[in-house]
Amino acid sequence: EAQVTQNPRYLITVTGKKLTVTCSQNMNHEYMSWYRQDPGLGLRQIYYSMNVEVTDKGDVPEGYKVSRKEKRNFPLILESPSPNQTSLYFCASRGLARGVGRNEQYFGPGTRLTVT
Amino acid sequence: AQTVTQSQPEMSVQEAETVTLSCTYDTSESDYYLFWYKQPPSRQMILVIRQEAYKQQNATENRFSVNFQKAAKSFSLKISDSQLGDAAMYFCAYRRLGQNFVFGPGTRLSVLP
Repeated sequence: EAQVTQNPRYLITVTGKKLTVTCSQNMNHEYMSWYRQDPGLGLRQIYYSMNVEVTDKGDVPEGYKVSRKEKRNFPLILESPSPNQTSLYFCASRGLARGVGRNEQYFGPGTRLTVT
Repeated sequence: AQTVTQSQPEMSVQEAETVTLSCTYDTSESDYYLFWYKQPPSRQMILVIRQEAYKQQNATENRFSVNFQKAAKSFSLKISDSQLGDAAMYFCAYRRLGQNFVFGPGTRLSVLP
C-alpha cells in the first residue's frame, strides 16, 4: 500500500530537549516536505526536498532542521524545541516525473507535538 | 507571494442539503493547480478534488464539484447531498507548476442531522 508514515504520532517534551520526527514514504517520490498546522493559519511549509541531499527552506524554517540522506526518508529535527513549536506536523511527498500523479501530494497521518 | 483566502472559518449544513465553501487566491500566473483537501477528526489529509487552471470545465468527483472562476481567482467547493461523514476541516490549496503548495486557513464544516 502506497503510504507516508510518521513517527511518533504524539509527543510531549520539554523545552530544549532535542527531538526527531521521522518520515518515510514507499512510493519512490522525489519530493518530500514538512508542514506545521496551526489554528487559523492552515498548513505552512517548514522545509522541502526535491531529491536526495537537496533541501530548501519553506515559509517557516526557523528552529527546524531536516536531512535527506535516502530517498525514502525525510526526518524533521528540532534541536532545541520551544513552546511556540507546539503544533500538528505533517510530512508529505509527491512524484516529480510527468504523469497524472505528479500533482497529487500524499500526506502522512500527522504528529501532534507539545512542548512544555 | 501567492496567498489563499478562505473567508468562512466555520460553516454548517443540514444533512442531505447542499453547501458551498469559498476560496479565493492571488496569483499573477496563468498555469497552476487548485485543490480541496478534507481533514476529518482523524487528522488525515484527504484530497477531495483537483482543478487544472488551463481547463475551463469544472472538476467533479461524485457529490463534490467546484466552481472555478479564473478571472475572479475564485475556487469554491460545492458539496451536494451532505452526509454526516462530510463533517471536517476543508483546506483550499494552490500550486504553481514547479512550485510548492500554498494552503488557505481552512473552513470547519459541521453537518447537522
